[in-house]
Amino acid sequence: EPEVTQTPSHQVTQMGQEVILRCVPISNHLYFYWYRQILGQKVEFLVSFYNNEISEKSEIFDDQFSVERPDGSNFTLKIRSTKLEDSAMYFCASRLQGAQPQHFGDGTRLSIL
Amino acid sequence: RKEVEQDPGPFNVPEGATVAFNCTYSNSASQSFFWYRQDCRKEPKLLMSVYSSGNEDGRFTAQLNRASQYISLLIRDSKLSDSATYLCVVNKNNQGGKLIFGQGTELSVKP
Repeated sequence: EPEVTQTPSHQVTQMGQEVILRCVPISNHLYFYWYRQILGQKVEFLVSFYNNEISEKSEIFDDQFSVERPDGSNFTLKIRSTKLEDSAMYFCASRLQGAQPQHFGDGTRLSIL
Repeated sequence: RKEVEQDPGPFNVPEGATVAFNCTYSNSASQSFFWYRQDCRKEPKLLMSVYSSGNEDGRFTAQLNRASQYISLLIRDSKLSDSATYLCVVNKNNQGGKLIFGQGTELSVKP
């Protein structure tokens, strides 16, 4: 069964550094997402991406965040200057179309020191 | 009011028990509904979509009541492997299609 893959599985970064989280969505999917989950809290939406542009973003997704689909397969989330509170699990998801459910990658654990 | 609200957990049940989870959502414009399960520190995995007529998948039955903005999940004949956190998830099907997650209800099935 096709799956969403994410790398790295764990990223440790000093506060203030830039970090790029990578995702390869399911190949024929059209909609792409990033979510995060702070330890002990619920999963929160960050951003959705369709047709090479952001369709929606949350309040969390401020100027420090950006997304890119540089080629036909990768979907990246960049945090320009990380803060301690960016420590969380970051999940990428993709969806085919319509009311189809989203499928999640196994996440990147981001630890900011 | 939270956008998606679930029963507080944890639920501790013996193997073979029937357990029911409830969920309410605040936005009447919501269009799609799902139950996901999440194992400790892992990704959410789709358990089932929830349809207006109700739907069943083996031991799992989901119900939706749009008038009451209420969703339920029933698990019959619980197995040890059902132990996980169950996430009630709503999608407004707006242009972006973002998912709104509940806090989750933890289930622990004991031998």
